[in-house]
Parts: sequence; C-alpha cells; structure tokens
Amino acid sequence: LAKTTQPISMDSYEGQEVNITCSHNNIATNDYITWYQQFPSQGPRFIIQGYKTKVTNEVASLFIPADRKSSTLSLPRVSLSDTAVYYCLVVPDSGGGADGLTFGKGTHLIIQP
Amino acid sequence: DAGITQSPRHKVTETGTPVTLRCHQTENHRYMYWYRQDPGHGLRLIHYSYGVKDTDKGEVSDGYSVSRSKTEDFLLTLESATSSQTSVYFCAISDRDRGSYNSPLHFGNGTRLTVT
Repeated sequence: LAKTTQPISMDSYEGQEVNITCSHNNIATNDYITWYQQFPSQGPRFIIQGYKTKVTNEVASLFIPADRKSSTLSLPRVSLSDTAVYYCLVVPDSGGGADGLTFGKGTHLIIQP
Repeated sequence: DAGITQSPRHKVTETGTPVTLRCHQTENHRYMYWYRQDPGHGLRLIHYSYGVKDTDKGEVSDGYSVSRSKTEDFLLTLESATSSQTSVYFCAISDRDRGSYNSPLHFGNGTRLTVT
C-alpha cells in the first residue's frame, strides 16, 4: 500500500491560490488519488479524486504528473472558510475492503484575512 | 449529504462501563466503517463491515467490537470503556461495489465520547 507524505501545516491569505502537495512514491498502477477536507467538529468530506493528469471540479483542481509519484491539490482564491485539514489518500481500485483508507494527520491549512 | 446518522452525538461515561455507539445509514451502501480521531493521530480505522454480519478489524481494533445485523446499522461497542478510548468517533459509508474510484467515503458528524 502506498504511503503518503504531506505538509503538516500551511498558511495563506484570502484571495490567494493554495497548492498542497502530497508525495506517494510507491503508488501502484491501479491506485488513484483522493482528497478529503475536514472542518472542526465535522467528519471529513470528499472533495476530488483522480488517476492522472488534471481533474477539476467546482471546489478544487488536482494535478498529477506523468510518474504519479506526487499530486497537488489546488484551491483557487481561498477564503477564510477554506481553513480546514486536508487529507491525501492513495486508494487501490480493488472494489472493497479498507485498503488505502488510512487518513494520516493531513495538512492543516490556515487562511488569514 | 449522504444519509448518515450517528447516535449519541455526545456521551460521558465512567471507566469500566459498556458503551455502544450507533451508525445508521439510509443509502443502502454495503461498506461501513468506524474511525476514531485524536489530536496528533489523525483518523484511525477501528473496524469496518462489508455486509450484514461481515466485519473485519482495522488498525486500532483492540478494546472494540462491532456488529451489523442489518444493512443500515453498524454498532460499535466498547465492552469496558477506558480513559484511552476518550475520542471522537466517526462512522463512514461507501458504495465500493461499484469500484473504489467512484466510491469515496461519506462521513457522519461524529460522536464525542468522554470516559472519566
């Protein structure tokens, strides 16, 4: 199972673009990358997932280079409400079990005015 | 949001007493999970279920048992609560039969348990 490494914390300011990078050097061929967001006193919330290249939705973009050994979650024009913990997971497309569903400590993103 | 209800939302209990937390879903998802979250440790998987009466251990299963007698309910029991089990407990569900790529986890709002 691929292990992930991401920064423990990051700071930014309102209106800036924030990029959080996750390293997963031993990612397997059938693994995909998933990001979750967690606000205080709430459960994590799925925000985006991808296998390669770029994925974009209404919340974020996910950039995955060709070697797939890392991925970058990009949050455009952040606001104070984007202050949260962000988790990167590498999950095998196994169709079951709990493989890859290890959250770790995540990245605590703090947005300042 | 996915239909997941955790009960109770808050509970205070004494060391040595049994405690049962309930997770109820209305999505008919096959997979259900129990996590605990503690400062400095992130989320850690306790047990999960892949169907009625089918369960398996996670990374921190000691001191916990689970049961799933019907699709919609997944119970987490602390047979004899200890202070080290003071934590926030989250339930999650997933429809992983469709393939993991299209089946992210959906979480409940958690149960805050304090063992005194």
